[in-house]
Amino acid sequence: NAGVTQTPKFQVLKTGQSMTLQCAQDMNHNSMYWYRQDPGMGLRLIYYSASEGTTDKGEVPNGYNVSRLNKREFSLRLESAAPSQTSVYFCASSERQGSSYNEQFFGPGTRLTVL
Amino acid sequence: GENVEQHPSTLSVQEGDSAVIKCTYSDSASNYFPWYKQELGKRPQLIIDIRSNVGEKKDQRIAVTLNKTAKHFSLHITETQPEDSAVYFCAASMGVGKSTFGDGTTLTVKP
Repeated sequence: NAGVTQTPKFQVLKTGQSMTLQCAQDMNHNSMYWYRQDPGMGLRLIYYSASEGTTDKGEVPNGYNVSRLNKREFSLRLESAAPSQTSVYFCASSERQGSSYNEQFFGPGTRLTVL
Repeated sequence: GENVEQHPSTLSVQEGDSAVIKCTYSDSASNYFPWYKQELGKRPQLIIDIRSNVGEKKDQRIAVTLNKTAKHFSLHITETQPEDSAVYFCAASMGVGKSTFGDGTTLTVKP
């Protein structure tokens, strides 16, 4: 199993450019997430998808959009990149068993720089 | 919303010593408390977790304790080794999309 995969690994954008970060998981998990990680800070949730066909805003959704393409894939789009979006982006997935919430499995991350 | 505070932000210990990292949370509805380890340039990975119906959990050199009344939980690492050097994150969760992470603790284990 590859687990959670992300592309690209690195990206440099100019202010105003757009791009889509791709994420896929092969663990048959229902829930998927996008986080950003800034230096000295924890992981902040951008958007999540509790199950296929649903998406919801997290703590810091402004400037981003998401698409849950199918159960495996969850993409994050920056429509007009800004320097404040320079960060490391992590995708994650998890499975819920009944009412219990379980660990999240993270992808390798995408390091994005916006000039 | 939930607020998670993590202390200390940096911790340096000698190899073989113990390390303790503490987190407090604000929302009593949180019921799942994972700890993640992130090595430099790598992804966060779960090392241990605890649910609200358990007070303590141990896995070899790692243990986590939870005090629901005081709303705090702690990570204990005994007999530290250089490979334990990493950033450790705590989190408090009350469901899907409802996890709040601490700001992390950078642990350095000196040989």
